[in-house]
Amino acid sequence: DAGITQSPRYKITETGRQVTLMCHQTWSHSYMFWYRQDLGHGLRLIYYSAAADITDKGEVPDGYVVSRSKTENFPLTLESATRSQTSVYFCASSDREWDGYTFGSGTRLTVV
Amino acid sequence: GENVEQHPSTLSVQEGDSAVIKCTYSDSASNYFPWYKQELGKRPQLIIDIRSNVGEKKDQRIAVTLNKTAKHFSLHITETQPEDSAVYFCAASAKGYALNFGKGTSLLVTP
Repeated sequence: DAGITQSPRYKITETGRQVTLMCHQTWSHSYMFWYRQDLGHGLRLIYYSAAADITDKGEVPDGYVVSRSKTENFPLTLESATRSQTSVYFCASSDREWDGYTFGSGTRLTVV
Repeated sequence: GENVEQHPSTLSVQEGDSAVIKCTYSDSASNYFPWYKQELGKRPQLIIDIRSNVGEKKDQRIAVTLNKTAKHFSLHITETQPEDSAVYFCAASAKGYALNFGKGTSLLVTP
């Protein structure tokens, strides 16, 4: 599944700083997603995109910004990081509805 | 929005036994129900999925059943093996994407 890559794999940042997590897929999948994974909460949807220039909020969008100017890229920005945003972030893509996701390897973000 | 409840949160079985994980969903419009397996430190991977026009689907030792009336679906793993040990997530969606996940079941298969 090298077709979807996330960077960086690990990131430590300070409270209040802006940080951007990158997600790139090589399949030209239409749909892309950002989830955060926390113990006791499973996977929670932050934002998703059905196509370039189309994005929508998920369950926990506050404090996050996304953009999708190109089909293959879907960066996630934390505008002013808080400790509660310490988490593992997964990007995923899907070619069409009812097709299941392919997840990236994840980014472990620590906000200190 | 959609709420997906998953039980149990932990499950321990002996090798060769069967394991069953159950999920309920709240949105009657949900029509897509995938299951993901996540090994420690790895990404979640799709293992099986079912759409609402099908009541059951099987793939080797794994099967999923769906009861639309009761709004619940289950994952069945037969003849469990140690390599089945992982966290399993159910999910549901009314759109076929933008999945809402359950909180996961940690399955331990002991030799």
